[in-house]
Amino acid sequence: ILNVEQSPQSLHVQEGDSTNFTCSFPSSNFYALHWYRWETAKSPEALFVMTLNGDEKKKGRISATLNTKEGYSYLYIKGSQPEDSATYLCAFVNSGGSNYKLTFGKGTLLTVNP
Amino acid sequence: GAVVSQHPSRVICKSGTSVKIECRSLDFQATTMFWYRQFPKQSLMLMATSNEGSKATYEQGVEKDKFLINHASLTLSTLTVTSAHPEDSSFYICSAEGTSLSHYGYTFGSGTRLTVV
Repeated sequence: ILNVEQSPQSLHVQEGDSTNFTCSFPSSNFYALHWYRWETAKSPEALFVMTLNGDEKKKGRISATLNTKEGYSYLYIKGSQPEDSATYLCAFVNSGGSNYKLTFGKGTLLTVNP
Repeated sequence: GAVVSQHPSRVICKSGTSVKIECRSLDFQATTMFWYRQFPKQSLMLMATSNEGSKATYEQGVEKDKFLINHASLTLSTLTVTSAHPEDSSFYICSAEGTSLSHYGYTFGSGTRLTVV
């Protein structure tokens, strides 16, 4: 069983604060690491797909880094806004198998207070 | 962007009946569909993977005779929960991949909340 852990489970920040959360995953048989943003009653929305050790990706105020050797990824949000409130999921894809299956963490629930 | 439409969003059914959940890819061809379920405070857990025109591959511990998956076309996949029982009450969600490797992440439906009474 692949173990993907996310921390913290939940987070409350004030509007304008910058924040970050962690995803840890197996450091062996790495293929890719996905980040998704999931608002209540909507579909999870893909943020990043990261594949190379040392990758840094950015989308507006959100960025992510990847360390495959030690098995962790950080997601950063700069200047949080209330609309950033959502659950942020990471998912690990291992290099075995013919279908690129995702193993998810439990997510980090971010609440941004105005 | 790519959209997967999932219906119904909520369903309540009586114990012993069957429920069908549909996922349609609206603007792309879904060669692979993944079906997940999520129990409260748990992560999304993969139930099965289906490739268009092939039998689904089920994860360990998922009963294939109970959770029937059909992926007969490149735009439609269905999950039927047969003879549902209260322990099948959960959140079910599909995700689709339209290329051999999605560099932009998979496209998810919005999920179905199933309650079996």
